Amino acid sequence: EVQLVESGGGLVQPGGSLRLSCAASGFTFSSYWMSWVRQAPGKGLEWVANIKQDGSEKYYVDSVKGRFTISRDNAKNSLYLQMNSLRAEDTAVYYCAREATMVRGGAFDIWGQGTMVTVSS
Amino acid sequence: SSELTQDPAVSVALGQTVRITCQGDSLRSYYASWYQQKPGQAPVLVIYGKNNRPSGIPDRFSGSSSGNTASLTITGAQAEDEADYYCNSRDSSGNHLVYVFGTGTKVTVL
Repeated sequence: EVQLVESGGGLVQPGGSLRLSCAASGFTFSSYWMSWVRQAPGKGLEWVANIKQDGSEKYYVDSVKGRFTISRDNAKNSLYLQMNSLRAEDTAVYYCAREATMVRGGAFDIWGQGTMVTVSS
Repeated sequence: SSELTQDPAVSVALGQTVRITCQGDSLRSYYASWYQQKPGQAPVLVIYGKNNRPSGIPDRFSGSSSGNTASLTITGAQAEDEADYYCNSRDSSGNHLVYVFGTGTKVTVL
């Protein structure tokens, strides 16, 4: 079964750090771009970051540039999001998602169940 | 960065047809993909590319595009189609490897 499972969420104080993980199974992880997408409580979806198959290219939404770092370990079939200098507005459910291949405009065809990050004192 | 705008909410009678629209400059260059999200659940891809449905998505879901507007049509809406729907595409305003999501549309089936 194709599956993505996130972990690492929790409660953290403003200015703190957290590292999210996403374990992939059921497909050749190293063949896909991967993304993180978040959703603040009661709000819409927001794309956060993505990373190329070999990790050589990484891109971020402006609001997290310089604070978040996306990475991957293809040997462990895992995706990560290191989040530093966290702010209240980073509070959200964080999903990892697989980017479909050969789709003009892109698409996220597999999603994890999400992990909740709460930034509060 | 680009923006994708959707109507906040639409309603449809059971068995009738509803169209959800998504507007944005990036849609002049890229197809939109569409996601269904039910409360407490992760989004699910329902339409991608020109008009493609992943395996398991009913054929009552279809997509189309014209100019800067993409549309998701549900023909013969069912009670289980009540959900939030989001469009998504690559960002054409700068780096084409990043993405933008629409503002979301809540669909109510009456």
